[in-house]
Amino acid sequence: DAGVTQSPTHLIKTRGQQVTLRCSPKSGHDTVSWYQQALGQGPQFIFQYYEEEERQRGNFPDRFSGHQFPNYSSELNVNALLLGDSALYLCASSFRGGAGDIQYFGAGTRLSVL
Amino acid sequence: SQQGEEDPQALSIQEGENATMNCSYKTSINNLQWYRQNSGRGLVHLILIRSNEREKHSGRLRVTLDTSKKSSSLLITASRAADTASYFCATVAPYSGNTPLVFGKGTRLSVIA
Repeated sequence: DAGVTQSPTHLIKTRGQQVTLRCSPKSGHDTVSWYQQALGQGPQFIFQYYEEEERQRGNFPDRFSGHQFPNYSSELNVNALLLGDSALYLCASSFRGGAGDIQYFGAGTRLSVL
Repeated sequence: SQQGEEDPQALSIQEGENATMNCSYKTSINNLQWYRQNSGRGLVHLILIRSNEREKHSGRLRVTLDTSKKSSSLLITASRAADTASYFCATVAPYSGNTPLVFGKGTRLSVIA
């Protein structure tokens, strides 16, 4: 049973560019959440997707957008990259009908913006 | 914004000793969870304690929750070098249905063999 998988593992971009990160949820999960973790900080919630729609959003600008596909996989897009977007981006999956609100995390994508 | 604040920020102990980490939070919660992160990679769920529970155990882990003080503690007994990691508390607001986790800044634990 595959867990949450994210790709790519590492990315290097320059300011102003656009980036797309990908996530496949754990088998049986239908909800995907994205988090940004700056160095030395805890993860910060970006947004959550369920039934191919953005259901909840954290305090992030519109440059951050996403998508969820019918197979529940998800993408995170960031436009007009800033140096401050350099971080570890974590995807977490869960089952919306499940109890406990436990989320399962992928290994993350480390984005460096130069 | 961060909800929880872990204390201490860093902790270094000898193998076999117990490690205690504390977490304080600001608003009402449905539950509080602890996660472990190795070397800046993905987080692993350790334990969940609901707002109506006061203590919970899982293997070498013991978690307490005091909702009147808005605080929680994680105790790792008989620590091992493999326990070296960052530990985060995360809270869930009082509405179920995959409410997002709100994390603290974490405690970096180093267990010296």
